[in-house]
Amino acid sequence: QSGLTQPASVSGSPGQSITISCTGTSSDVGGYNYVSWYQQHPGKAPKLMIYDVTNRPSGVSNRFSGSKSGNTASLTISGLQAEDEADYYCNSYTSSSTLYVFGTGTKVTVL
Amino acid sequence: EVQLVQSGAEVKKPGESLKISCKDSGYSFTTYWIGWVRQMPGKGLEWMGIIYPGDSDTRYSPSFQGQVTISADKSISTAYLQWSSLKASDTAMYYCARVLPLGVQRWFDPWGQGTLVIVSS
Repeated sequence: QSGLTQPASVSGSPGQSITISCTGTSSDVGGYNYVSWYQQHPGKAPKLMIYDVTNRPSGVSNRFSGSKSGNTASLTISGLQAEDEADYYCNSYTSSSTLYVFGTGTKVTVL
Repeated sequence: EVQLVQSGAEVKKPGESLKISCKDSGYSFTTYWIGWVRQMPGKGLEWMGIIYPGDSDTRYSPSFQGQVTISADKSISTAYLQWSSLKASDTAMYYCARVLPLGVQRWFDPWGQGTLVIVSS
């Protein structure tokens, strides 16, 4: 099973909002509300930002929000800040034997 | 606060064996699944497999089935990822993470700091 499809890069100016899409199928993103999002700064381990499509773990800024429509999930970062510059990956539970599938990753650049 | 602490970087030759570790500092090692994730140089995240230390129930991604072995020693709250014969293509950063919640495990948190494995002749 190939990865969930994300745009390779997204950029925005400080203070702006950006949205990262994550497109899968009815066997993964569309079939379950089990999408999570991870932020990874260079040389660092990934960090959970969103789970179950819309939920933020304790300590994660409310500038990060998640949503889903059909087979596509989205991560929105509002009030973009320099510290948000990182790679972002989505992940979904899947009904296939793979169990979990990651997105291809999106590099966010703050202009 | 739960922490996963991984073993240090390794440099190995093709054909050698290797076992890397992930120690859980929490109090509930036997009641949560632990997963392993690969990140090849400059590439994205790939889920490899998960283990339930309570009974060593293990599930592998089809891409990694037969290529690696995941195990756990609950007496020392440590999960392992091992190779019997490394290849150059195994060169990557490997992360462990708790897979939550209980029930239908569906997100990874927290993550270990990663173990870099370099396989080169």
